[in-house]
This record gives sequence, structure tokens and C-alpha cells, in this order.
Amino acid sequence: EPEVTQTPSHQVTQMGQEVILRCVPISNHLYFYWYRQILGQKVEFLVSFYNNEISEKSEIFDDQFSVERPDGSNFTLKIRSTKLEDSAMYFCASSRPGNEQFFGPGTRLTVL
Amino acid sequence: GQNIDQPTEMTATEGAIVQINCTYQTSGFNGLFWYQQHAGEAPTFLSYNVLDGLEEKGRFSSFLSRSKGYSYLLLKELQMKDSASYLCAVRPNSGGGADGLTFGKGTHLIIQP
Repeated sequence: EPEVTQTPSHQVTQMGQEVILRCVPISNHLYFYWYRQILGQKVEFLVSFYNNEISEKSEIFDDQFSVERPDGSNFTLKIRSTKLEDSAMYFCASSRPGNEQFFGPGTRLTVL
Repeated sequence: GQNIDQPTEMTATEGAIVQINCTYQTSGFNGLFWYQQHAGEAPTFLSYNVLDGLEEKGRFSSFLSRSKGYSYLLLKELQMKDSASYLCAVRPNSGGGADGLTFGKGTHLIIQP
């Protein structure tokens, strides 16, 4: 069964550094998403992406964040200058139009 | 604003039935989803309701009442592996596009032998 994959599984970085989280959505899906989950808290929507542009973004997704689909398979989330409060699990998801979203296994980001 | 409420924790016995409730107040509504999340893992899709009524899928059923802003997830014949968090999520926007989900805080379900 096809699944969303994410790399790395764990990323440790220093405050102020840039990180790029990578995702490979399910191949026949057209809609891509990033969510985050701070330890012990709820899953929060960051951004959605369709047809090579942002479709929707939340208040969390400020100028420090950006997304890109650099080629036909990868979907990336960049955080330009990480803060301590960016420490969280970041989930990528993908879907077909109107259907359920399938989540990847997540990248645990730790900012020191 | 968006608000989704569900109980923080529930306990049930192996082999029994449990109902997890979810109420929501959102600025729009285009479907309600239930996900299961084991500790440290990704949410996995369980069920989806967009019209009122009951959707059954094996041991899991989900109910929706749009007029009441209410849903429940029913789990039958509970197994130890059902110990997990159950997340209620609403798709607030009109659909057709890449709409982000708004999640509740999740209900931590503990199954006892």
C-alpha cells in the first residue's frame, strides 16, 4: 500500500539555524499538507499546497516558514531561523481532492 | 473561531464497547474525520462523515449530527491494541481544495484486560 514518507526521522539543530524537512507524498495525490504537534498538544495545521502554490496557511505559518515542491516527488518545509518553540513533531500529509488525508511518520525537530 | 471538544481520557475493558464524543463549533463545515494516533506515531485515518447519520466500518462506527455540532466514534469488541489517542478533526472550508483540518486535543483511550 502506498504511503507518505518523511526524512529525516529526527533532526536536532541549534537555535537560529535553518532546517529543511522533506516529504514524499503518495504518488497520485494532488494536495499536500504540513502539520505540527508540540509534545503533549494537539495536531495543528500549518499549510496546504496544490498546483505548485500555497492553497491555505494558518497563523502559525509566518515568514520564517516556506514550502516548496522542488521536483515531481518531493515536498519540503523550510524553517529559516529556528526558535526553541519550533521544537515539535512535523507531519506531512497528502490527499486526493475531497478525500481523507494520509499522514507520514513525522520528523521530530529538536531546537537547542 | 474554531473549537473542538472531546474528553481527555477514557478507560474501557477488553471486549467491551466504548463511545468517544466530539462537539465542534467552527466557522464552516465540510466534513468530520476521526483519526487514531499511537504514542510517537502519525495519525491514521479511521472514518469520515459529511452527512448526518452513522457510518460503519468493521469494529468502528462514526455518527454525525450537523445541527448539534456533534459526532461520536464507537469502538466495538475492544482489543488491547486499541489503546491510543483518538482525534476528532473538522474540515472547516468549503472543500474542493487543499483544506487544512482543525483537530481536537484527542481522547486518550486506555484498554484494561
